[in-house]
Amino acid sequence: SQTIHQWPATLVQPVGSPLSLECTVEGTSNPNLYWYRQAAGRGLQLLFYSVGIGQISSEVPQNLSASRPQDRQFILSSKKLLLSDSGFYLCAWSVGQGTYEQYFGPGTRLTVT
Amino acid sequence: SQQGEEDPQALSIQEGENATMNCSYKTSINNLQWYRQNSGRGLVHLILIRSNEREKHSGRLRVTLDTSKKSSSLLITASRAADTASYFCATDAGSNYKLTFGKGTLLTVNP
Repeated sequence: SQTIHQWPATLVQPVGSPLSLECTVEGTSNPNLYWYRQAAGRGLQLLFYSVGIGQISSEVPQNLSASRPQDRQFILSSKKLLLSDSGFYLCAWSVGQGTYEQYFGPGTRLTVT
Repeated sequence: SQQGEEDPQALSIQEGENATMNCSYKTSINNLQWYRQNSGRGLVHLILIRSNEREKHSGRLRVTLDTSKKSSSLLITASRAADTASYFCATDAGSNYKLTFGKGTLLTVNP
């Protein structure tokens, strides 16, 4: 069966510090991978998605970046965090060419202080 | 602006009652999906309805889709306290890979 992992679960970082959030998927090959951010009481904002190794599409210009060094690994990074980067970060995966079901990880709660 | 907008923003009902949530969207879609999110957790996929389908059932869930009105509804019958969660609709807006989520409906089922 397929599983998706995200870590860390919670993170408190000062403004200006770097960020690295990791997401890995098990039990499937060549998944489409997604990073979303959810602000309190709001819906999900798609940040990045990837349909293959090294292929990253950015949806929202900001100080975040994403990388996919391996087929089932997706990393969200920042060189210098802003207060506005606080939120709940969710990784998700899907398979196939098309907008099929997405399967979400447990999320990372990031607080920038 | 959001492609999908849920209505109402919050809904409080008693256990055993039915809960109906609505979603409106703006552009043509290939499919529409409903997801559930328990507080502080990831989203869980509930049901997908394709643009050529009008109604779909899964257990206590019933989803309808009216493409002429660009709207969908999610009905949860015989609700339980465990159904308390936020419910989101998501549309593809014709995209191959991307989903756009609404802000969600917060459902509270009181025991």
